[in-house]
Amino acid sequence: KQEVTQIPAALSVPEGENLVLNCSFTDSAIYNLQWFRQDPGKGLTSLLLIQSSQREQTSGRLNASLDKSSGRSTLYIAASQPGDSATYLCAVKGGSNYKLTFGKGTLLTVNP
Amino acid sequence: GAGVSQSPRYKVAKRGQDVALRCDPISGHVSLFWYQQALGQGPEFLTYFQNEAQLDKSGLPSDRFFAERPEGSVSTLKIQRTQQEDSAVYLCASSLGRGTSNQPQHFGDGTRLSIL
Repeated sequence: KQEVTQIPAALSVPEGENLVLNCSFTDSAIYNLQWFRQDPGKGLTSLLLIQSSQREQTSGRLNASLDKSSGRSTLYIAASQPGDSATYLCAVKGGSNYKLTFGKGTLLTVNP
Repeated sequence: GAGVSQSPRYKVAKRGQDVALRCDPISGHVSLFWYQQALGQGPEFLTYFQNEAQLDKSGLPSDRFFAERPEGSVSTLKIQRTQQEDSAVYLCASSLGRGTSNQPQHFGDGTRLSIL
């Protein structure tokens, strides 16, 4: 059974810092990995999707990497802003099924 | 519509009542998913539809949970004889391709269900 772990559970940084969120998964036979953002009381906003054949994806200040063989992904946020404050969730799609398996998320607070 | 729409946004019910939660996916999206998110946890998969066919319902917690998508667009998640442990946020997601495609899943804002 696929298990996804996110470290740290919570992170507080001053505005302007670069930061890294970590995600690990137990079964490397994945189809893709997706990073989401969730604001309080809201649904999930897709940030980046990395296919299993890819090593990284970039969107603006966000960069996500994938090392499938070691079961790890990182989300790098450059020059953090207070508006980046949210919970960040990592999810993997297994190679033979439809569903996403999520971690519990990292609660990020960026202080002005 | 522009995004996935869920209604109601909040639902309070007494234990033992039946509830129905609605999801309007993005127009033209083939795949539709339901997830359950407990407080402080990541979402957990409930069920998957490809058009009107329910291809995977392995995540439904019990036979009190039932989902349908009769015309391949709007979906309803029904919970019968609700229990307190059913309290959670229920998220709906849709994607353009079939479930095994590399298309991202787009989520609605969810329905927050509270059972008293």
